[in-house]
Amino acid sequence: NAGVTQTPKFRILKIGQSMTLQCAQDMNHNYMYWYRQDPGMGLKLIYYSVGAGITDKGEVPNGYNVSRSTTEDFPLRLELAAPSQTSVYFCASSSSAYTQYFGPGTRLTVL
Amino acid sequence: QQQVKQSPQSLIVQKGGIPIINCAYENTAFDYFPWYQQFPGKGPALLIAIRPDVSEKKEGRFTISFNKSAKQFSLHIMDSQPGDSATYFCAASRNSNYQLIWGAGTKLIIKP
Repeated sequence: NAGVTQTPKFRILKIGQSMTLQCAQDMNHNYMYWYRQDPGMGLKLIYYSVGAGITDKGEVPNGYNVSRSTTEDFPLRLELAAPSQTSVYFCASSSSAYTQYFGPGTRLTVL
Repeated sequence: QQQVKQSPQSLIVQKGGIPIINCAYENTAFDYFPWYQQFPGKGPALLIAIRPDVSEKKEGRFTISFNKSAKQFSLHIMDSQPGDSATYFCAASRNSNYQLIWGAGTKLIIKP
C-alpha cells in the first residue's frame, strides 16, 4: 500500500514550458486535491476532485488544469510556466470530508 | 467567514516546555478540526483531530483544547522534544464540504 505517490520529486522548467505533475493513490479514495505551498506559507488549494470525471477549482486555479479519468490518478497540468508558479506542489486524497492523506510533494522551480 | 486564523507564525521552546498554538474560526458550521504536522521536505500528516461536541482530546503528548463559544481551538504539546520541531497546521471543515480550510501554519522549534 503505497498511499499517495507523486512524480517527479524535483523539476526545473524554463518560462513558457509546460509539464504535468503526476499523482496516484491506491486507497480507492474518491476525493483528491492539489495544493501549492510557497516558502514559509500555508497550503493553497489549486483544484480538487470528488470522483472520476468530476473536478472543480480551488482558491488559486489560474495557470493550471486537471483531469480525473480514473479513481487512482489526478494529474496537474501547467501550461506556459511562469516564475510565480515556483512552489512545492502536494497532492492529497481522502475518503471523506475529513482526513486527507498527502503525497511527498514535487518541488518545482521556474526560471 | 471561511478563514481559519492561526498564531503564532513561529515559536521557539526549550525541550520539556509546552508549546501552545492557537486557531480561531468564524463559520459555526464547521464540525471537524484537525491538526497536521509537516516535517521539512515531507507532506503534511494528520496529527490529531477534534469535533465540537468535546472540549479536549489527548493523544499521547498532544492535546487539542476546544472552546466552542469563543470559536477557538489550540494544540498543546506536553514534554516537547527536539523531534517535535516541525510546522503545524490547523484546519477546519464541515461534512457537507469536502475541502479543508487551512490555517497559515506555525513553525515550531524545540531547542535541546
